[in-house]
Amino acid sequence: GENVEQHPSTLSVQEGDSAVIKCTYSDSASNYFPWYKQELGKGPQLIIDIRSNVGEKKDQRIAVTLNKTAKHFSLHITETQPEDSAVYFCAASGGGTSYGKLTFGQGTILTVHP
Amino acid sequence: SAVISQKPSRDICQRGTSLTIQCQVDSQVTMMFWYRQQPGQSLTLIATANQGSEATYESGFVIDKFPISRPNLTFSTLTVSNMSPEDSSIYLCSPRVGTDTQYFGPGTRLTVL
Repeated sequence: GENVEQHPSTLSVQEGDSAVIKCTYSDSASNYFPWYKQELGKGPQLIIDIRSNVGEKKDQRIAVTLNKTAKHFSLHITETQPEDSAVYFCAASGGGTSYGKLTFGQGTILTVHP
Repeated sequence: SAVISQKPSRDICQRGTSLTIQCQVDSQVTMMFWYRQQPGQSLTLIATANQGSEATYESGFVIDKFPISRPNLTFSTLTVSNMSPEDSSIYLCSPRVGTDTQYFGPGTRLTVL
């Protein structure tokens, strides 16, 4: 089945700096890669996603890049703000017998210091 | 997107009892997923529930422990049966909207004493 590795596990930045979180996946048939933000006491919130026919997608301060050859994708947050502090999860939607099922990375705790 | 509600939002239960978690979605969805998130951990898929068919369970999860109902396209329940302290987790429903987009409910925070 699919395996997703996420790094770093914790990330601390100053307000206004950029933050980058990276994920690798194992199943070359995976074709959908969402990112979720989870604040304390809440369910995960979908913040951006990318499909395998696209290399990059941007939504205001958030962007995601996908390298299918290397099987890795990254989340980029620019001009970070204290309210960006949360746990971020990447996920991959597998192929084959895991078709359509999301496999999640281990999560990254992002702290933005004012 | 989708508006998702879960009941209860949290509960404290005694060992050996069962709890049924309800998930309501504001639109009809074909596929509903149930996840478990243990304290400080990532999300683990418990089962996939399609309306009109039996739920399919992931390795390590069985129907006797986590029975699921899916009576219509906007509602599903997950029961955690014969609970032990190891079942203390956040349980999340996740409807699929469109071909692959998944949203999550707010979660049910379960503590088993």
